[in-house]
Amino acid sequence: AQKVTQAQTEISVVEKEDVTLDCVYETRDTTYYLFWYKQPPSGELVFLIRRNSFDEQNEISGRYSWNFQKSTSSFNFTITASQVVDSAVYFCALSEETSGSRLTFGEGTQLTVNP
Amino acid sequence: DVKVTQSSRYLVKRTGEKVFLECVQDMDHENMFWYRQDPGLGLRLIYFSYDVKMKEKGDIPEGYSVSREKKERFSLILESASTNQTSMYLCASSTPAPYGYTFGSGTRLTVV
Repeated sequence: AQKVTQAQTEISVVEKEDVTLDCVYETRDTTYYLFWYKQPPSGELVFLIRRNSFDEQNEISGRYSWNFQKSTSSFNFTITASQVVDSAVYFCALSEETSGSRLTFGEGTQLTVNP
Repeated sequence: DVKVTQSSRYLVKRTGEKVFLECVQDMDHENMFWYRQDPGLGLRLIYFSYDVKMKEKGDIPEGYSVSREKKERFSLILESASTNQTSMYLCASSTPAPYGYTFGSGTRLTVV
């Protein structure tokens, strides 16, 4: 069965600090997809990234970067030079090819960036 | 602007009431989902549907049912609301692989 673990319940940083959100997953499938979503106080989940299991290249998008390591079953998310607007709940999620398009989410990490 | 619309942002219902949560998408997506979000538990899948009149149980279907009479609409039904169903409910739709998901803004349901 698929499982996603986000061990960090809450993280608090000061603006301009770098912060890494951890995500560890479990799956028996060889083909799967990993996601990160941001949920600001407004409540709507905002898609950030999707990676498939065959693409271990790290990705950078502005201040955001993602480190995918199959060897440790991790898909960590780093925000560089954090800003107050980054304050949100962040979810990591997994979709297995054999489970159709259903997503399994981690518990979420509440990130607070203080001015 | 494509989107998923949930009919109510906030809802307060009494124990024992039958509750309908409505979700409509305008992207012609085949797949639709209902998730429940609780602090410390993340989002958990209640029910999903891959086609009209089709439904599948998710991880926590007890106490819920769904209806999908039209492709664009997926309703979540609480047959007899209970206080432990107080939660945030999120609807989503997606394409088949590689899975472009879109979420609604959520309905915060309080059962008193």
